[in-house]
Amino acid sequence: GNSVTQMEGPVTLSEEAFLTINCTYTATGYPSLFWYVQYPGEGLQLLLKATKADDKGSNKGFEATYRKETTSFHLEKGSVQVSDSAVYFCALRYSSASKIIFGSGTRLSIRP
Amino acid sequence: NAGVTQTPKFRILKIGQSMTLQCTQDMNHNYMYWYRQDPGMGLKLIYYSVGAGITDKGEVPNGYNVSRSTTEDFPLRLELAAPSQTSVYFCASSPQAGEYEQYFGPGTRLTVT
Repeated sequence: GNSVTQMEGPVTLSEEAFLTINCTYTATGYPSLFWYVQYPGEGLQLLLKATKADDKGSNKGFEATYRKETTSFHLEKGSVQVSDSAVYFCALRYSSASKIIFGSGTRLSIRP
Repeated sequence: NAGVTQTPKFRILKIGQSMTLQCTQDMNHNYMYWYRQDPGMGLKLIYYSVGAGITDKGEVPNGYNVSRSTTEDFPLRLELAAPSQTSVYFCASSPQAGEYEQYFGPGTRLTVT
């Protein structure tokens, strides 16, 4: 079946470090791919998305590229800040699907 | 636009009590969802709706009920609260399927003791 697998956390980095959070998916066809972020005590909010192969989503310095050949959508940021500390969820959704399939989430903590 | 609003923000229930978690969206979205998030865990889908009058079960529907009489409102009912239902509950909405993201409410933190 369709699924999303994220790297396990927690991930702890120092401020200004380079960030990669891995996400791979199992799906047939061409789903849309998403990264959501959940700050402490809040609901999820969309960080970025990509709707077709080779698309790059970007927002707030974060980027992710839809790689169909490796079925991946890894999240990257060149220089993280303390304010990036949050839980990050990778997700996919088909064009005809009512539901979004979420990964299990990766907790990121940034040290000053 | 207020987006997706949820009430209450916090609630403590005794075992066996009932309550309704309210969810309203003002974006005229057809799709609405209820999730629960246990501490340190991901999201589990409880129920969802693709339009007024239409609801369907998600992964963990037992112990919950929903209704969708209007496009705006999607209340979640707990009939006989149990400690296993202690969680944070999120409501979300989406305009359509496919490339459209879900918009989440701020959550309701429920404790059953």
